Amino acid sequence: NAGVTQTPKFRVLKTGQSMTLLCAQDMNHEYMYWYRQDPGMGLRLIHYSVGEGTTAKGEVPDGYNVSRLKKQNFLLGLESAAPSQTSVYFCASRPSGQGVTEAFFGQGTRLTVV
Amino acid sequence: SQKIEQNSEALNIQEGKTATLTCNYTNYSPAYLQWYRQDPGRGPVFLLLIRENEKEKRKERLKVTFDTTLKQSLFHITASQPADSATYLCAPLNQAGTALIFGKGTTLSVSS
Repeated sequence: NAGVTQTPKFRVLKTGQSMTLLCAQDMNHEYMYWYRQDPGMGLRLIHYSVGEGTTAKGEVPDGYNVSRLKKQNFLLGLESAAPSQTSVYFCASRPSGQGVTEAFFGQGTRLTVV
Repeated sequence: SQKIEQNSEALNIQEGKTATLTCNYTNYSPAYLQWYRQDPGRGPVFLLLIRENEKEKRKERLKVTFDTTLKQSLFHITASQPADSATYLCAPLNQAGTALIFGKGTTLSVSS
């Protein structure tokens, strides 16, 4: 099992460009999450999904869109990238089961917007 | 609004001592609380879960307590080792347990 795989691992974007980050999990998990991590700010939840076809806003959703068309994939889109979106992005997945299930994280995507 | 506070950004201790990390929460009534470890450049890894009706949970050298009256969880690492150096994150979850929100974390450095 690969677990949670994020694509790409690194990316440099110019201001105003768009891109999509892909998160794929092969564990048949219901819940999936996108976070950003910045120095001194910790791990902040952008959007999450509790099942195929569903999405919900997290703590910092502005400037991002997500889609969960297939259970195993959770896409994070930046329509018009800004320097403030320079960050390390982590994806995670969990089985359903209230709060008792652990989350598994991907290796992260380092995004720089210039 | 809901708030999660972890006691300090950095904690430095000597090898062999017990490290104690704090997670306080406000405007929350979590039914569960999870603790994760994150090493530089890597995603967090799950360590322990404690339920609201459990006062204490242990796993090897790790011990977690959960005080719903104080709205606080304590995370202890006994006989600490340099390999325990990492950032530790707490995540309180409500009964539905869907949104997984973390505190900022405490970075522990254990010196030999």
